[in-house]
Amino acid sequence: DQQVKQNSPSLSVQEGRISILNCDYTNSMFDYFLWYKKYPAEGPTFLISISSIKDKNEDGRFTVFLNKSAKHLSLHIVPSQPGDSAVYFCAASATGGSQGNLIFGKGTKLSVKP
Amino acid sequence: DAGVTQSPTHLIKTRGQHVTLRCSPISGHKSVSWYQQVLGQGPQFIFQYYEKEERGRGNFPDRFSARQFPNYSSELNVNALLLGDSALYLCASSQDYYNEQFFGPGTRLTVL
Repeated sequence: DQQVKQNSPSLSVQEGRISILNCDYTNSMFDYFLWYKKYPAEGPTFLISISSIKDKNEDGRFTVFLNKSAKHLSLHIVPSQPGDSAVYFCAASATGGSQGNLIFGKGTKLSVKP
Repeated sequence: DAGVTQSPTHLIKTRGQHVTLRCSPISGHKSVSWYQQVLGQGPQFIFQYYEKEERGRGNFPDRFSARQFPNYSSELNVNALLLGDSALYLCASSQDYYNEQFFGPGTRLTVL
């Protein structure tokens, strides 16, 4: 069973518009959530994180929203740029259980068209 | 500052062989984690080490083992390789076990 789900395998957005990537989770013990970006032949690059005590975290063009009651988080990229084209992974961990291992979704491939 | 480094970059082995993958964390980071990523999937957790002790283990067979050295570098060992072990093996480091993890470029293992 998948504890972290990214139900959209791909997303295509026009340059300058907003990209919204979604992620759902099932484990209520998760208390820390992260987004990573991955280019081909490279390791994932950390983008932004959010603790379960918050519902929003912003860093430049990237904002992550957390809805604990719905067990849902989303990553907003505004404005989208062609260089944002990559695979985006949502990840979660249950640090309150003294563990830091990340559980990843399957990823969403974002294509930003000029 | 150097990021997480992994060696080798690529590796080709045959079934039944043994492989050792190496990882050097970011300076000052005390935790190293290993992940396996197969095509079309997200990375899957194998091990986490913190201060040279195993902090967590994923759902992988005993053929997989790892260790962390006093300088915080780490090795992942896989015995009796199977075709299904072909994957990208990622190492990630973090300051502590609960912080955001920074990934290396990975080692691409192909088992023939």
